[in-house]
Amino acid sequence: EPEVTQTPSHQVTQMGQEVILRCVPISNHLYFYWYRQILGQKVEFLVSFYNNEISEKSEIFDDQFSVERPDGSNFTLKIRSTKLEDSAMYFCASSELGTNYGYTFGSGTRLTVV
Amino acid sequence: SQQGEEDPQALSIQEGENATMNCSYKTSINNLQWYRQNSGRGLVHLILIRSNEREKHSGRLRVTLDTSKKSSSLLITASRAADTASYFCATAPNQAGTALIFGKGTTLSVSS
Repeated sequence: EPEVTQTPSHQVTQMGQEVILRCVPISNHLYFYWYRQILGQKVEFLVSFYNNEISEKSEIFDDQFSVERPDGSNFTLKIRSTKLEDSAMYFCASSELGTNYGYTFGSGTRLTVV
Repeated sequence: SQQGEEDPQALSIQEGENATMNCSYKTSINNLQWYRQNSGRGLVHLILIRSNEREKHSGRLRVTLDTSKKSSSLLITASRAADTASYFCATAPNQAGTALIFGKGTTLSVSS
């Protein structure tokens, strides 16, 4: 069964450093998403991406965040200057036809900012 | 906010029993979806119910949707220890191009 692949599975970074989280969505999916989940808490929407541009973003997705689809297969989330409160699990998801169908999630990247 | 809110927050049952989780939301939706998350893992899509549907089944799962009450329930019948996980409802807004919004989840523990 097709999978969404995320790398790395765990990343530790110093506060103020830039991190790039990588995702390979399912190849025929058109919609891509980033969510995050602070330990034990709800799953929070960050950003959705369609047709090579951001289609929606949440209040969390401020100027320190950016997304890219650099080569037609990878989908990346960059955090420019990490803060302690950015520590969370970050999940990438893709969907064939947006919210009319279920999302396929990756296994997540656990980001720890120290 | 349109996010779903699950109830109860935590549920502990014995194997073989049924587990019922509820979800309430605030505004009109296109569909409602349920996801499962094993500890430390990604979310897995279980079932989607559209706003014009009232009930849907998939294996041991039964989902109902009451749009007049803005609520949904997920029933897992004959639960197994392997059903132990967190379960989230997610609402898809009526507006095109908007993303799924997840609730806080129900943590289900099934003991053998």
